[in-house]
Amino acid sequence: SQQGEEDPQALSIQEGENATMNCSYKTSINNLQWYRQNSGRGLVHLILIRSNEREKHSGRLRVTLDTSKKSSSLLITASRAADTASYFCAPGDGGSQGNLIFGKGTKLSVKP
Amino acid sequence: DAGVIQSPRHEVTEMGQEVTLRCKPISGHNSLFWYRQTMMRGLELLIYFNNNVPIDDSGMPEDRFSAKMPNASFSTLKIQPSEPRDSAVYFCASSSATGGSYEQYFGPGTRLTVT
Repeated sequence: SQQGEEDPQALSIQEGENATMNCSYKTSINNLQWYRQNSGRGLVHLILIRSNEREKHSGRLRVTLDTSKKSSSLLITASRAADTASYFCAPGDGGSQGNLIFGKGTKLSVKP
Repeated sequence: DAGVIQSPRHEVTEMGQEVTLRCKPISGHNSLFWYRQTMMRGLELLIYFNNNVPIDDSGMPEDRFSAKMPNASFSTLKIQPSEPRDSAVYFCASSSATGGSYEQYFGPGTRLTVT
């Protein structure tokens, strides 16, 4: 698998605003996952989008995938203070072992 | 399910001592991953196993690090001898790639401090 690169490195918004994070990768993928990490905790899987999908929703999360641009975005709508965390993308090649390589993530701060 | 279990949660040891970190993956998962996280280097994949067999250990920093998975429900990561630069949070994760599901489930981590 390959490492995704998240952008921006840090994002600070007010509660109620939308937060958009981007992920770029280099070579073709089978799927792409997004994870969240709260301070001091392990990563938590948020959503997986497959290479034949363009958009996926889960609650307040919306993920898009543009394979022609080798990029994905994660949108969190109506953000809450509890969304404060680091967010990581993980491009996957669909191999049987499922190994992932994580980048540095986007650190999101939602101010109440 | 209890999720991925790691022990100990915190470990403080002196330089030169042996450290053993333990992980119990989610029952039925056939892949297990060890990561290390520091502020400087981020989240690094150290080694991963598939069906108890080590597949790729290229992320293991030095020969001082070793990992085993004697059965499907237990894995250890050992550092011998430990050094201050090994201080980090070590995560274990497991997943099941069957049916096209690739989500990894992370444990709470072990915070290691080597003085």
